Amino acid sequence: NAGVTQTPKFQVLKTGQSMTLQCAQDMNHNSMYWYRQDPGMGLRLIYYSASEGTTDKGEVPNGYNVSRLNKREFSLRLESAAPSQTSVYFCASRGGYNSPLHFGNGTRLTVT
Amino acid sequence: DAKTTQPTSMDCAEGRAANLPCNHSTISGNEYVYWYRQIHSQGPQYIIHGLKNNETNEMASLIITEDRKSSTLILPHATLRDTAVYYCIVGYYDMRFGAGTRLTVKP
Repeated sequence: NAGVTQTPKFQVLKTGQSMTLQCAQDMNHNSMYWYRQDPGMGLRLIYYSASEGTTDKGEVPNGYNVSRLNKREFSLRLESAAPSQTSVYFCASRGGYNSPLHFGNGTRLTVT
Repeated sequence: DAKTTQPTSMDCAEGRAANLPCNHSTISGNEYVYWYRQIHSQGPQYIIHGLKNNETNEMASLIITEDRKSSTLILPHATLRDTAVYYCIVGYYDMRFGAGTRLTVKP
């Protein structure tokens, strides 16, 4: 049982490049989330999808877009990467509002 | 912003109980209280959650006040491996982490 799988694990981009971070879960969860964590800081919510077909902004959505491709997959896109987006990105999923988040292992992104 | 406030850091002696407080004065009726911890830069690990009643599992106990405006996570016998950042989260679908409490368990 893989849980929440994030790809890639590491990525280096140049300023202005674009990329998509992939997240997939195999727990039949309804809700999925994207967070970023800067060094020494707590996690900040970028976007979330409460259920298939819906997405909502979190605390720090600027510079990102998301797609809930199907119930299993929730991708995060950086259209024009900036050094300020250097961070560790975590994807999470949960069954519903009364169940806990399950996290992936993270994607470490560096933008130069 | 997160709906919770926690102390920045706490220390605890190994083998003693660690009591981590959290204030969530704006919690609404259907929102659960969740606790997670993060060791180094790993993904956060779920510990426990509750709505109104106190809860206990193999890792910890959660005490929620009657007015639900605050809670306490209790690690009954802290070990060195419990050194981590502990996050208290309140929310419905919008789940925001604050800065958490850095717990250091000392020998």
